[in-house]
Amino acid sequence: GAVVSQHPSWVICKSGTSVKIECRSLDFQATTMFWYRQFPKQSLMLMATSNEGSKATYEQGVEKDKFLINHASLTLSTLTVTSAHPEDSSFYICSAHLETGAVHFGNGTRLTVT
Amino acid sequence: EDQVTQSPEALRLQEGESSSLNCSYTVSGLRGLFWYRQDPGKGPEFLFTLYSAGEEKEKERLKATLTKKESFLHITAPKPEDSATYLCAVLLYGGSQGNLIFGKGTKLSVKP
Repeated sequence: GAVVSQHPSWVICKSGTSVKIECRSLDFQATTMFWYRQFPKQSLMLMATSNEGSKATYEQGVEKDKFLINHASLTLSTLTVTSAHPEDSSFYICSAHLETGAVHFGNGTRLTVT
Repeated sequence: EDQVTQSPEALRLQEGESSSLNCSYTVSGLRGLFWYRQDPGKGPEFLFTLYSAGEEKEKERLKATLTKKESFLHITAPKPEDSATYLCAVLLYGGSQGNLIFGKGTKLSVKP
């Protein structure tokens, strides 16, 4: 069954507003979670690594002030897209690693900025 | 440059027609190779992790194998419900735990 829950599954917002996406680990604690972005027919691209209790690590080219990440507990990481623009429209997916070595993903959030 | 290439991009099969998907990789240090299934509008669903050449794993009609240069996902007697995009990803040594490098996927369509 699903071990990583992501919410909302889709969201439509107006340009200039902010959107928060939640990622929860359901049956385990995740000190580290990861946020990806996927464009249509493209691979998943890692945006940032979310670390519980400390600052997130962003990949090159990802604006940390635009994509705010908070990992306040061992089961919850949030990604806030601030001052969203149409070019931010994408499919955002989070993941977490289990001790078994498996890497599980949330079901993704489809963001549409109008 | 670390790279993961999947082939074919798309594959159409008749129900019951077995085939294989390929994932070739050129990376500096392979820590693990992952196979995922992704349905439209959904996140990737974990299938297998392979860690060393010669390793094989099976799950229902799927079997994954790994060599030093590539991995195969064999689908035996597929059914229409196996239709999805299959993603391959490699985890590297030295990078962050999240540094999964994904291929672009193989879109599988199984016709009844």
